[in-house]
Amino acid sequence: GAGVSQSPSNKVTEKGKDVELRCDPISGHTALYWYRQRLGQGLEFLIYFQGNSAPDKSGLPSDRFSAERTGESVSTLTIQRTQQEDSAVYLCASSLGGHHSYEQYFGPGTRLTVT
Amino acid sequence: DAKTTQPPSMDCAEGRAANLPCNHSTISGNEYVYWYRQIHSQGPQYIIHGLKNNETNEMASLIITEDRKSSTLILPHATLRDTAVYYCIVRVGHSGGSNYKLTFGKGTLLTVNP
Repeated sequence: GAGVSQSPSNKVTEKGKDVELRCDPISGHTALYWYRQRLGQGLEFLIYFQGNSAPDKSGLPSDRFSAERTGESVSTLTIQRTQQEDSAVYLCASSLGGHHSYEQYFGPGTRLTVT
Repeated sequence: DAKTTQPPSMDCAEGRAANLPCNHSTISGNEYVYWYRQIHSQGPQYIIHGLKNNETNEMASLIITEDRKSSTLILPHATLRDTAVYYCIVRVGHSGGSNYKLTFGKGTLLTVNP
């Protein structure tokens, strides 16, 4: 079946511009996660959506970062006034909820380069 | 969460079984063993998980020792595309707290050679 998809696959933007990254989770997955991975580094948790519950935004690094999710489908991660330190691969994952929350299926990521 | 120990690297010949070990001697009774991998320049990929019984799926087999202090991920017929960093993680299986935040240690770099 279809996996998690993300768009765009690559984004180059100038410092100070806003960017919007999109994630389409696996159909039926109630949980959706955004992570960031800098080159050669581990995963950095950003935000978690589960059904209609309030999202866990504890990993968002600054108020320039925000994310939305429409029901149990598409999510968008928005970075305002991008900075060079925002350059990274942004990964989206989805899972069934509850005790399946650690079986996360990842998209291919969006590689963001801020120049 | 229980700490895990994995060898930093391993080599395997193409077509042979790859056996990746993981030590988790402080594992608790309600903690599962999960395996993920990350192929270069790709997102992480969930492989398999188990509690105490051996598990098998289309990707791999997971063998957990009777005392649950260690486990082995087996790729039965490794291919060049299996070259990746493999991560063994021990986490409780319920959804309490912020259990969903996936974090990786250093993992094992498996290189499959032709």
